[in-house]
Amino acid sequence: DTGVSQDPRHKITKRGQNVTFRCDPISEHNRLYWYRQTLGQGPEFLTYFQNEAQLEKSRLLSDRFSAERPKGSFSTLEIQRTEQGDSAMYLCASSLEGENTEAFFGQGTRLTVV
Amino acid sequence: AQKITQTQPGMFVQEKEAVTLDCTYDTSDPSYGLFWYKQPSSGEMIFLIYQGSYDQQNATEGRYSLNFQKARKSANLVISASQLGDSAMYFCAMRYYQLIWGAGTKLIIKP
Repeated sequence: DTGVSQDPRHKITKRGQNVTFRCDPISEHNRLYWYRQTLGQGPEFLTYFQNEAQLEKSRLLSDRFSAERPKGSFSTLEIQRTEQGDSAMYLCASSLEGENTEAFFGQGTRLTVV
Repeated sequence: AQKITQTQPGMFVQEKEAVTLDCTYDTSDPSYGLFWYKQPSSGEMIFLIYQGSYDQQNATEGRYSLNFQKARKSANLVISASQLGDSAMYFCAMRYYQLIWGAGTKLIIKP
């Protein structure tokens, strides 16, 4: 297993377009998280899944954002009608269930909305 | 509500010196986990060390140790014998369901 992988690594899109990111977690991890990080800030929680169930979604997440994890393996994060304020690094992480288990992160997808 | 505070936006440290990065937390939950991550300029978030709220001893991982003072709600990261490759952003985080993050400390190691 090569760890958490995210695709694409970089995405430049025009304002108003839709974008979709993919995350492949570590295979035995049942939890998957999405975070957003802007320059100079810590990651901001977006949503997380346990297996295929989306258990929590940040109140900061607008209706333009949707995430899926259809078979409890890979996940997709879609942003509709992108805005310049969506420009950020989108991080995916996975972990085993439990409070004392570390989350392993992918290298992120850097989104630039022009 | 859970909260993580890192009060040092940036630090400069001479190579080979030890460095302490501060982290305080707030939670009413008796069971929690505290994590430190390193984020180099490449952007990848790298796990460094973990401390559980019920752990009796401070966690250590190689050159990294965590100075856990439960009564003061602090979980400072200590890096011994700093190296140039330690230059990065360092984040303290607490596990609730998801991770709750501090704002980070930018550490620069000077040769």
